[in-house]
Amino acid sequence: DAKTTQPNSMESNEEEPVHLPCNHSTISGTDYIHWYRQLPSQGPEYVIHGLTSNVNNRMASLAIAEDRKSSTLILHRATLRDAAVYYCILRGNAGGTSYGKLTFGQGTILTVHP
Amino acid sequence: AAGVIQSPRHLIKEKRETATLKCYPIPRHDTVYWYQQGPGQDPQFLISFYEKMQSDKGSIPDRFSAQQFSDYHSELNMSSLELGDSALYFCASSFRTSGGGETQYFGPGTRLLVL
Repeated sequence: DAKTTQPNSMESNEEEPVHLPCNHSTISGTDYIHWYRQLPSQGPEYVIHGLTSNVNNRMASLAIAEDRKSSTLILHRATLRDAAVYYCILRGNAGGTSYGKLTFGQGTILTVHP
Repeated sequence: AAGVIQSPRHLIKEKRETATLKCYPIPRHDTVYWYQQGPGQDPQFLISFYEKMQSDKGSIPDRFSAQQFSDYHSELNMSSLELGDSALYFCASSFRTSGGGETQYFGPGTRLLVL
């Protein structure tokens, strides 16, 4: 499976933007880049995903490098509720080893200061 | 909007007992995934079902079994419980696609404590 690498932890102040990086240098052409987050004592929660182009939704933006070997999850204005573990996960098409299940690696623990 | 429902939310068992965890997916979702999260660990995939058939298997012990029923709910059966089975068990559901863009929606989890 293609591997992702994320910083162990990051800190931010409330109402400031947060850029969470993810490296995935062995990504294949059909792998989607997914981001999930897990708030304390809760189940993982879908945040955003993309394939090649940058994506925006109500929660965040996903910036994908042109060579697709890295991506950045952007929280435009961090709130205390955004404090969570953020996971960057690659998922491929049917028939591949990364299809279907989510393989959670070491994510980034985001701390948001008031 | 309807979410994934898991029951029970908390469960305490003795060693060597059995436990059954239930998962009710979001309506019209055809795929269910089970994950285990030990203390201080990341979630680990156990098993998944698509249209009532097992579709993938991860690091699930032989003591565990699971199935998906005709109404798409799923049950994880755990026998001969060990202390190391104490964990959070999450169920996730999705509407299966052939591509990698499928989104999974997680339930609140069942916290199992084995004494």
